[in-house]
Amino acid sequence: NAGVTQTPKFQVLKTGQSMTLQCAQDMNHNSMYWYRQDPGMGLRLIYYSASEGTTDKGEVPNGYNVSRLNKREFSLRLESAAPSQTSVYFCASRTDRAIQYGYTFGSGTRLTVV
Amino acid sequence: QKEVEQNSGPLSVPEGAIASLNCTYSDRVSQSFFWYRQYSGKSPELIMSIYSNGDKEDGRFTAQLNKASQYVSLLIRDSQPSDSATYLCAVNMPNTGNQFYFGTGTSLTVIP
Repeated sequence: NAGVTQTPKFQVLKTGQSMTLQCAQDMNHNSMYWYRQDPGMGLRLIYYSASEGTTDKGEVPNGYNVSRLNKREFSLRLESAAPSQTSVYFCASRTDRAIQYGYTFGSGTRLTVV
Repeated sequence: QKEVEQNSGPLSVPEGAIASLNCTYSDRVSQSFFWYRQYSGKSPELIMSIYSNGDKEDGRFTAQLNKASQYVSLLIRDSQPSDSATYLCAVNMPNTGNQFYFGTGTSLTVIP
């Protein structure tokens, strides 16, 4: 099925460990995004990529890095995990053909840092 | 002031009633507006988009946009228990590279 695939779905890390969240889309979208969702805070943008080869910071980029590996894949890396990064992470993609198209979200990664 | 604001609720309506969800936004040049439904433990799912003033209907859902008042709403007619979810309002912000900003969501419960 077409869509956005995220891995892993669940992860527990110890403080200071690193990990990479993977995201791939097969809809030929140019734009890809990483959000985190925390209770009472809504969805907050971490990083986005408007096209292959470009990345930009969002609202809450500290502690994260990203790589737009190709048009399909956009990964998020936590170099040294902290308890404050416990959250649900969503990858999303969007066509930029017209303004009326919204995001398609992946199924999310529930990350706990202990 | 947050870019996108919604009442967090919870909003409870009886089955068969109309549920009304509201959202205000701060950037006057925003062009497109979206409503997402999110079930507990699931990812957001797009249910409506609107970019022109007025109403847009899709089945039991009607989105309403008033750019002068910087206000967008979602009406759900004949509410069903399966509509119980959190509804997220999203607004594109052209001055920030067309990022989407999300409200914190309104929790809706439809009581059978």
